Amino acid sequence: DIVLTQSPATLSLSPGERATLSCRASQSINSYLAWYQQKPGQAPRLLIYDASKRATGIPARFSGSGSVTDFTLSISSLEPEDFAVYYCQQRSSWPLTFGGGTKVEIK
Amino acid sequence: EVHLVESGGGLVQPGGSLRLSCVASGFTFSRYDMHWVRQATGKGLEWVSAIGTAAGDTYYAGSVKGRFTISRENAKNSLYLQMNSLRAGDTAVYYCARGHYDSNGNDFDYWGQGTLVTVSS
Repeated sequence: DIVLTQSPATLSLSPGERATLSCRASQSINSYLAWYQQKPGQAPRLLIYDASKRATGIPARFSGSGSVTDFTLSISSLEPEDFAVYYCQQRSSWPLTFGGGTKVEIK
Repeated sequence: EVHLVESGGGLVQPGGSLRLSCVASGFTFSRYDMHWVRQATGKGLEWVSAIGTAAGDTYYAGSVKGRFTISRENAKNSLYLQMNSLRAGDTAVYYCARGHYDSNGNDFDYWGQGTLVTVSS
C-alpha cells in the first residue's frame, strides 16, 4: 500500500498568514494526489485534485503543487474559515489511501 | 444540487452484520463511480470500498476485504455496504462519496453527512 505522510501534524498560524502543508508518498504517484479540508462535525470537502487543479468553487488562495512523491498545499492568506484539518489522498493505485492529516489552528 | 444521504448505522455486537445505504440525488447516479470512506472518532480518513458504474468492478481496503460487500442499484440511485463479521475496529462514521469524474472516479467530490456504526458488546 502507498503510505502518505503529512507534515507538520499541527500548524499554528494567524489569520492573514501563509500556510504551507506537506504530503510525501512512499512511492511515485505521478500527480494523482488530492487535498481535502474537514471542519469539526462536517464531511470533508475536495479542494485540489491531480496535485494542482482547484475543484469547483474553491477560492484561488488555495493552491497545490508537486509531483512524484512530494506535494504541497498552500493557502496564501488564511481566512478565519480556513482553520481546519487537511488531508491528502492518492489515487495512483489500489487501495486508495489518505495521509494522517494536518491541523491548521489559530495561533 | 448533489445530495448523498446515508442510513443504516447503529449499534451492533462484535461478529454481527449491518447494511448501510446511501441514496443519491441531483446527478445521474449511474454515470459515477461511488465509494465508502470511514472515520473513527478523532481519527483520520480511511477509504473502505469502491464500485464502478456498472457494478462489475469493486475494490476493497485490506482491512475489510472478505467481510464487506459493496453494491449499487442504479434504478434506485442507491449505494450499499453490507458489513459482516464486524469488529470493534470497524467503529466509525461511514461516508458515502461520489467519485470525481475528472479524476477517473478515484477521488471524491461530494460526500454525505455520514452514518455512525458502533461495534460493541
